[in-house]
Amino acid sequence: EVELLESGGTLVQPGGSLRLSCAASGLTFSNSAMCWVRQVPGKGLEWVSGISDSSIYTFYAESVKGRFAISRDNFNNMLYLQMSRLRADDTAIYYCAAYVDGSMGHYWGQGTLVTVSS
Amino acid sequence: QSVLTQPPSASGTPGQKVTISCSGSSSDFGSRRVNWFQHLPGTAPKLLIYSDYQRPSGVPDRFSGSKSGASASLAISGLQSEDEADYYCAAWDGRFHAWVFGGGTKLTVL
Repeated sequence: EVELLESGGTLVQPGGSLRLSCAASGLTFSNSAMCWVRQVPGKGLEWVSGISDSSIYTFYAESVKGRFAISRDNFNNMLYLQMSRLRADDTAIYYCAAYVDGSMGHYWGQGTLVTVSS
Repeated sequence: QSVLTQPPSASGTPGQKVTISCSGSSSDFGSRRVNWFQHLPGTAPKLLIYSDYQRPSGVPDRFSGSKSGASASLAISGLQSEDEADYYCAAWDGRFHAWVFGGGTKLTVL
């Protein structure tokens, strides 16, 4: 059974930084592209960032480009999202999700809440 | 970035068939593969349909996807109370190298 477990969400001040983690099990992680998707409370889903299986390619939504960095550790089956210059509108539940054959979102974690507030 | 447009709400009674649409704003929408997700707030989203009409194992065949031209659709037949949730379409935007979600449709089972 595939399991994705996010962690690292917390309350952080505007302008601050935070790193989210996603621990993966039950899938061949090194062969799976991965991504982060967020949901602002009361709003819809927003794709944030994606990374290819070997980390060669990384992609970002315009709203986070230059502030967020996605990375992965295939040895330890971990996905990360380094977030900096955080803003109030980054407040959201952040989900990690796995691709299958280029198709996004076949597996999802339960999410971790990031709150940006002073 | 391209936009995917969904109706904000839909409803039906138990046993009915409901269809949710997803319209693409770009001329190449017809060549993009569309995924559909079911989401209950506070839980992990669930993939219902991928690549326009493919159904992952474990998803009931009451859920089906289709696409024609600039519009994709998710059909739910034999509506059940447990189907009450938010539904999202998503597609890859090759020009911006980003996945784009529709705004979501809140399905109410009356």
